[in-house]
Amino acid sequence: SQTIHQWPATLVQPVGSPLSLECTVEGTSNPNLYWYRQAAGRGLQLLFYSVGIGQISSEVPQNLSASRPQDRQFILSSKKLLLSDSGFYLCAWSVQSKGTNQPQHFGDGTRLSIL
Amino acid sequence: AQKITQTQPGMFVQEKEAVTLDCTYDTSDPSYGLFWYKQPSSGEMIFLIYQGSYDQQNATEGRYSLNFQKARKSANLVISASQLGDSAMYFCAMRERNQGGKLIFGQGTELSVKP
Repeated sequence: SQTIHQWPATLVQPVGSPLSLECTVEGTSNPNLYWYRQAAGRGLQLLFYSVGIGQISSEVPQNLSASRPQDRQFILSSKKLLLSDSGFYLCAWSVQSKGTNQPQHFGDGTRLSIL
Repeated sequence: AQKITQTQPGMFVQEKEAVTLDCTYDTSDPSYGLFWYKQPSSGEMIFLIYQGSYDQQNATEGRYSLNFQKARKSANLVISASQLGDSAMYFCAMRERNQGGKLIFGQGTELSVKP
């Protein structure tokens, strides 16, 4: 069966520090991969998605970036964190499909607090 | 314009009763899918149920059913026989065929089940 791992679970970082959040998927090949951010009490905002190694699409301009160095690895990074980067970050994967019936499956998330 | 609208920020239901969570959507793509997710306080996103735009029957998954009214562009989630463990945030999401695998999420409804 497929599993998705996301770490760390919580992170406290000072303003201006770098960031690296990692997500890996097991039990499937060539998945679509996604990074979302969720502000407290709000819905999910799609940040990046990837349909293959090295292929990254950005949904919102910001100081974050994403990379996909391996088929089942997705990394969210920042060179200098801002206070506004605080939030709950979720990684997700889905089967590549031209249809609309494939759900996204989420990791447990990372709670990021910027001080 | 909002593509997914959930008008109920919070809902209360008595244990063992049924509850309906509202979701309306907006799309010009004739092929789309609608998803509901549950997010407990721990943060993980749990996929509950899917409805395709061409499905003739309403989707059902155990105690979850989807009241799909295509002409009204609504996809309400019905939870029967509510349990205390159903207390969580619930998100409606849409995937349009011409947008690849991306999901658009509503703002969520917080459901509280009373004993």
